[in-house]
Amino acid sequence: QSALTQPASVSGSPGQSITISCSGTSSDVGDNDYVSWYQQRPGEIFKLMIYDVSNRPSGVSNRFSGSKSGNTASLTISGLQAEDEADYYCSSYTSSPTRWVFGTGTKVTVL
Amino acid sequence: QVQLQESGPGLVKPSQTLSLTCTVSGDSINNDDYYWNWIRQPPGKGLEWIGYIYYSGNTYHNPSLKSRVTISVDTSKNQFSLKLSSVTAADTAVYYCARYPGGIDAFDIWGLGTMVTVSS
Repeated sequence: QSALTQPASVSGSPGQSITISCSGTSSDVGDNDYVSWYQQRPGEIFKLMIYDVSNRPSGVSNRFSGSKSGNTASLTISGLQAEDEADYYCSSYTSSPTRWVFGTGTKVTVL
Repeated sequence: QVQLQESGPGLVKPSQTLSLTCTVSGDSINNDDYYWNWIRQPPGKGLEWIGYIYYSGNTYHNPSLKSRVTISVDTSKNQFSLKLSSVTAADTAVYYCARYPGGIDAFDIWGLGTMVTVSS
């Protein structure tokens, strides 16, 4: 089972919106509504930002939103802030025996 | 506040068995709402799901790791463990433990991770 494909890096200025893509296949992203997104700041634990494609856990800013179209999921960060600078990973449940696959990771830089 | 913490040797020799423990604090590992997972990330690479254990002892692991994986739980210590046998340099990675709540499809709580290097 191959990893999900994400852009290596995305950058934006404070206040702007950015979108991170997560490209999979009909066996994972395109097969269900079980895509999640994680934020990892240096030295910190992974933080769940989005689950089941577009749901935010309690405490996560509404500046973060998720969506999906076909085999590609997306995470949008609106009103970009310095604290959003981190690595972001997507994950999808897969119908294969692997169960879960992860994205290659995207480094978000706030200019 | 639920916290997970990985522990174990940072260096393992090739062909030996890697052993790690995840200690859960702030919640009981006996909680039937959760599955307890191991995930790893080799240097410069993406994340790979290894496997999970339920409090009852039921387990499932990524078949790509074949039969090298053993995951166990010690409810008396509120811990679960990973053993990976016959390790090679390809098993060098940061190993994370994480909680899967089941009601949503996501890993909602993670440990900080522990780096394990396979080298003679």
